[in-house]
Amino acid sequence: AQSVTQPDIHITVSEGASLELRCNYSYGATPYLFWYVQSPGQGLQLLLKYFSGDTLVQGIKGFEAEFKRSQSSFNLRKPSVHWSDAAEYFCAVGDKTSYDKVIFGPGTSLSVIP
Amino acid sequence: DAGITQSPRHKVTETGTPVTLRCHQTENHRYMYWYRQDPGHGLRLIHYSYGVKDTDKGEVSDGYSVSRSKTEDFLLTLESATSSQTSVYFCAIRTGQNTEAFFGQGTRLTVV
Repeated sequence: AQSVTQPDIHITVSEGASLELRCNYSYGATPYLFWYVQSPGQGLQLLLKYFSGDTLVQGIKGFEAEFKRSQSSFNLRKPSVHWSDAAEYFCAVGDKTSYDKVIFGPGTSLSVIP
Repeated sequence: DAGITQSPRHKVTETGTPVTLRCHQTENHRYMYWYRQDPGHGLRLIHYSYGVKDTDKGEVSDGYSVSRSKTEDFLLTLESATSSQTSVYFCAIRTGQNTEAFFGQGTRLTVV
């Protein structure tokens, strides 16, 4: 069965520092992969997505993610974090054979220290 | 927000009462979804719909039913609310088969 793990429940970084949020998935074929961000009290906003092609994906707000098939990973990165990046981040995997099945990870909460 | 409106945004209800949450979209997309969000679980799919009167169960459908009599509205009903259904509920739409989901603002439901 598909699954998504985000090993870090909570991460704290200093403003201006680099960021990497980890995501691992379990899926039999090449999946669709997504990163979403959720600010407090808000819905989820798509940061970036991977469907096929270039394994390094650029997203909004200066984020990028790299799909590594050999490691079943899709880690999210940002070179310099801003205080406004403090939020909850969700990795998700979509099933190409069944478009209704999008499985979300448990989320990583990011705090940013001024 | 892809024209998605959820109502109500907040609700407190008593155990055993029926509750209906509404998701309304303005762009006539076929695919609509209901998720619940709980700490440590991310979002879990309750029910989804491919179109009018075409719905199916997700991974956590027990205790929930849905209806879609119009393209723009997707209703989620808790027939008899329980405390375990206290959660934040999100509606989402997808514009096509191989696309990302767009989410509403959520409904915070508390069952006391």
